[in-house]
Amino acid sequence: ILNVEQSPQSLHVQEGDSTNFTCSFPSSNFYALHWYRWETAKSPEALFVMTLNGDEKKKGRISATLNTKEGYSYLYIKGSQPEDSATYLCAFGDYKLSFGAGTTVTVRA
Amino acid sequence: NAGVTQTPKFQVLKTGQSMTLQCAQDMNHNSMYWYRQDPGMGLRLIYYSASEGTTDKGEVPNGYNVSRLNKREFSLRLESAAPSQTSVYFCASSKGVGNQPQHFGDGTRLSIL
Repeated sequence: ILNVEQSPQSLHVQEGDSTNFTCSFPSSNFYALHWYRWETAKSPEALFVMTLNGDEKKKGRISATLNTKEGYSYLYIKGSQPEDSATYLCAFGDYKLSFGAGTTVTVRA
Repeated sequence: NAGVTQTPKFQVLKTGQSMTLQCAQDMNHNSMYWYRQDPGMGLRLIYYSASEGTTDKGEVPNGYNVSRLNKREFSLRLESAAPSQTSVYFCASSKGVGNQPQHFGDGTRLSIL
C-alpha cells in the first residue's frame, strides 16, 4: 500500500480566480502519476498521466507539474469556472495504482 | 460510444447472499480493474487483470473473487456478502497498466443489510 496524500482536502475559490493543490507520493521507485477529475454523479475522468521528472501537462485551463525527486505534483486551475467544481484525484504506482482521497474544489460564481 | 459499462447500477443484498457485478468495455483495452470507494477514502484497488487470462490481487481482495471472462469482460463476485462490503464499486479499463489512463464505469452502489 503506497501512501498518497492530497492537500488541502477541500477548497473554495471565487469564479475567475486561480488555484492550485498538491499530491504527495513516495519519491522512491517512481513509475507514473495520474490525475483524474471526478464530478458529482459521474465517474472519474482522466486528466493527465505523468511519467518524467519535471513533466508539465496542460489541458485547457488546467495544468500539472511533477517532481519525482521530492515526491510531489501540483495541479493548477487558471481562471476557475463553475464547471471546474469537482473532486480531483491523484494516483501513483505501476501495476497497482494507489489513489489519494482527493481535493474537492468548489467554484463560487 | 459506451466505454465501460457496469451492471447493475444499484443493488441491496442481505448478509450472506452472493452476487456478481458485471463489467464490460468496448475500447479493446488490455487491462481491467475493480475498485471500491468508501466515504473519506480514496479509490482502493480490489483486483486487477493486466491482460486477458491473468488476474492479481489489489489492496483489498478479501471477500471477493474475479473472472476475466474474455478481453471485454471482467466480473467481480461476492460469495458471502458482509455489511463491511457496502460500498460503491467502480470498474475501469486501460490500454496497459501503470502509464496509461484508466477509463471508469459509472459505478455500482451496493448496500448489504
